[in-house]
Amino acid sequence: DQQVKQNSPSLSVQEGRISILNCDYTNSMFDYFLWYKKYPAEGPTFLISISSIKDKNEDGRFTVFLNKSAKHLSLHIVPSQPGDSAVYFCAARGFGNEKLTFGTGTRLTIIP
Amino acid sequence: DAGVTQSPTHLIKTRGQQVTLRCSPISGHKSVSWYQQVLGQGPQFIFQYYEKEERGRGNFPDRFSARQFPNYSSELNVNALLLGDSALYLCATGGTPEETQYFGPGTRLLVL
Repeated sequence: DQQVKQNSPSLSVQEGRISILNCDYTNSMFDYFLWYKKYPAEGPTFLISISSIKDKNEDGRFTVFLNKSAKHLSLHIVPSQPGDSAVYFCAARGFGNEKLTFGTGTRLTIIP
Repeated sequence: DAGVTQSPTHLIKTRGQQVTLRCSPISGHKSVSWYQQVLGQGPQFIFQYYEKEERGRGNFPDRFSARQFPNYSSELNVNALLLGDSALYLCATGGTPEETQYFGPGTRLLVL
């Protein structure tokens, strides 16, 4: 049972444009969401997170939006840069539950 | 500051053997989690330890065990290795289980 879903395995975006990565979840007990970026041969790198009491969180070029009623979150990267090419994982955690539940990832390719 | 370190980086074992993977947390971090990532999937939660006690366990067989030492480093042990145990094993650490978890580079295990 995949509780966190990233339905787009890959995404290609022109350099300088906006990249939008999507994530859906089914478990209504999730209350904290994170995005990680992963390069080959490296561990996931934390990007940005959002609590369920918010609907938006920004950090530089990265913005995460949370729509609790739709059980959907998205990561916006503006402007996209070649160094953003990586696999992006969405993860979720329930209150009082330590484990992170990950999606299957979206491979983002930024085209120069 | 040094990040999360893991050893070894790569490992080749044969079916039935046993393996021990090691993780050193970021200085000041007392929470250590272990994840397994197989090709094409997101990381799957195996264990979390905090203050040397097990705080959570994922859906993995008893062949998987872990422990945390007084210096907060951790070991993951896998007995009676199966071909399906071939994966990237990731360690993540945080100040507490509720704080953002930061990942190490992983240990890539190949079981032949």
